Amino acid sequence: NAGVTQTPKFQVLKTGQSMTLQCAQDMNHEYMSWYRQDPGMGLRLIHYSVGAGITDQGEVPNGYNVSRSTTEDFPLRLLSAAPSQTSVYFCASRNTGYYEGETQYFGPGTRLLVL
Amino acid sequence: AQSVTQLDSHVSVSEGTPVLLRCNYSSSYSPSLFWYVQHPNKGLQLLLKYTSAATLVKGINGFEAEFKKSETSFHLTKPSAHMSDAAEYFCVVSVMKTSYDKVIFGPGTSLSVIP
Repeated sequence: NAGVTQTPKFQVLKTGQSMTLQCAQDMNHEYMSWYRQDPGMGLRLIHYSVGAGITDQGEVPNGYNVSRSTTEDFPLRLLSAAPSQTSVYFCASRNTGYYEGETQYFGPGTRLLVL
Repeated sequence: AQSVTQLDSHVSVSEGTPVLLRCNYSSSYSPSLFWYVQHPNKGLQLLLKYTSAATLVKGINGFEAEFKKSETSFHLTKPSAHMSDAAEYFCVVSVMKTSYDKVIFGPGTSLSVIP
C-alpha cells in the first residue's frame, strides 16, 4: 500500500512552459485534492474531486486545470507557467461520505520553480 | 466562515522541556480539528485529530491536544521535547459540506529544539 504518490519530486520550468504534476493513490479514496504551500500562508486548496469525472475549483484555481478519469489518478496541469506558481504542491486523498473527521492523507509534495 | 489562527509563527524550546503550540479556530459548524507535522523536505504527517469524542486527544510521538469549545482553542502539547520534534506544525479545521470538506490550514508554527 503506497498511499499517495506524487511525481516529479522537483521541477524547474521556464515562464510559459506547460507541465503536469502527477498524483496517484491506491486506497480507493473518492476524494482527492491539490494544495499549494507558500511560506507563511499554510496550504491553499487549488482544485478538488469527489469522484471520477467530477472536479471543482478551490480557493486558488487560476492557472491550473485538473481532470479525474479514474479513481486512482488526479493530475494537475499548468498550461502556461508563471513565476507566481513557484511553490510546493501537495496532493491529498480521503474517503467521502458523511464521516466526521475523515483523515486526509498527503503525498510527499512536488517542489516547482518557475524562472 | 471558518478560520484558523496559530498564535506563534516560531517557538523555541530546550530539549527535555515542555512544548506548547497554540491554535485558535473560528467555525460556524462543529468542526473536526487536526494537527499535522511537516519535517524539512518531507510531506505532511497526521499527529492527532479531534472529532467530537473525548476533548483530550492523544496522538503519536507523545503529543496531545485539548479541545476547549468555550475558548475555541485546540492547543498542542508535549511534556518533554526531543530533538526530532523540530519541524513545522499545522493546525487544521475541517467542516463537512454536502459534497466536499472545507479544510482550512493555519499558517504553521516552526518548532526549534535547542540541545
